[in-house]
Amino acid sequence: SQQGEEDPQALSIQEGENATMNCSYKTSINNLQWYRQNSGRGLVHLILIRSNEREKHSGRLRVTLDTSKKSSSLLITASRAADTASYFCATGRISSGSARQLTFGSGTQLTVLP
Amino acid sequence: DAGITQSPRHKVTETGTPVTLRCHQTENHRYMYWYRQDPGHGLRLIHYSYGVKDTDKGEVSDGYSVSRSKTEDFLLTLESATSSQTSVYFCAISELTVSGNTIYFGEGSWLTVV
Repeated sequence: SQQGEEDPQALSIQEGENATMNCSYKTSINNLQWYRQNSGRGLVHLILIRSNEREKHSGRLRVTLDTSKKSSSLLITASRAADTASYFCATGRISSGSARQLTFGSGTQLTVLP
Repeated sequence: DAGITQSPRHKVTETGTPVTLRCHQTENHRYMYWYRQDPGHGLRLIHYSYGVKDTDKGEVSDGYSVSRSKTEDFLLTLESATSSQTSVYFCAISELTVSGNTIYFGEGSWLTVV
């Protein structure tokens, strides 16, 4: 079963605008991560936020985490056409023994129009 | 680039035939994973390995087996391929940092079962 669910499923914006994607999850986590996938390629790690962190920045990316609401958001500022991709959130479990697993959502398809 | 190579990258096979996908890594990571990606389902874990000859099932393991006889190679076998196993298969490795477990993906193997 999927732990993270992204919202919206698809988002289309103009170049230069900000893009916000949300992720909700169900169980306790020790970290939440965002990945990006260009069409026909593998997933690329973008950013990790730990459960004791509320906000994290990396370049044009800003991630927030609200553990009380079990939700996270990914903000891409000043978007570019090259940001067009699918974005996935993934949650790391509190205790997974030897598993060290991440559980992925079904993703948000972002299209940035030039 | 986490030094992950998947082969074959594309394969068409007939129902009922066995298929083996290979994942090769060059950086001596202990943890390796096989995921499948399907529209509307995101990424789902098939099997993972936490060392040579140490493997365990993931969320969607039925119809799949794995083997890891060397640290660098993780094989995924479909004993008797079915049309429902048409999918994109991603191998991944895990890197544990002070922030948490980050997964790095290969480029994917596109499998079509006809």
